[in-house]
Amino acid sequence: EAGVTQSPTHLIKTRGQQATLRCSPISGHTSVYWYQQALGLGLQFLLWYDEGEERNRGNFPPRFSGRQFPNYSSELNVNALELEDSALYLCASSLDSRVYGYTFGSGTRLTVV
Amino acid sequence: DAKTTQPNSMESNEEEPVHLPCNHSTISGTDYIHWYRQLPSQGPEYVIHGLTSNVNNRMASLAIAEDRKSSTLILHRATLRDAAVYYCILRPHRDDKIIFGKGTRLHILP
Repeated sequence: EAGVTQSPTHLIKTRGQQATLRCSPISGHTSVYWYQQALGLGLQFLLWYDEGEERNRGNFPPRFSGRQFPNYSSELNVNALELEDSALYLCASSLDSRVYGYTFGSGTRLTVV
Repeated sequence: DAKTTQPNSMESNEEEPVHLPCNHSTISGTDYIHWYRQLPSQGPEYVIHGLTSNVNNRMASLAIAEDRKSSTLILHRATLRDAAVYYCILRPHRDDKIIFGKGTRLHILP
């Protein structure tokens, strides 16, 4: 069974540009979660999508947005990039996180220069 | 803020058991306790979770205090591959906005 896949693996952008990160969940999983992990820090909750709808969002500015497609894959968009947006962006999927937990991808390393 | 408290780091010798503690004094009756670990340059990996009773799986055991205000992840025989950051989190019954703390960095000594 394929795990959670994220693309690209690495992304380098200039301050002020936009970045688009993609996530494909495990087949059958309807929920997708996005986390930001700055270097040396813990995971910060960004967004939760389920059945195509945004269900919850963390304390991030509106320039962090995303969507979930009918096939349950998801996209995270970061507009007007700032240097402090440089981080590892992790995507996770779950069928029912209370019962089965989350399965994480390996992440996209975003560097803003 | 994270609802769990863990030591910043711990050390253990290879092939010995490891007990990783976690305090969650504000846990509610319907919160699940989840443990994940993160190896360098990888996403977190699910380890184990439980609600009230102790749990065992092929990776580890989870011991939950009777009052549920603390739990302990037990690695029965640590190997060098177990060196990672271990996160203890609470999964609320109705909310998937999970807050990860800084976790415990486990060092395994050969």
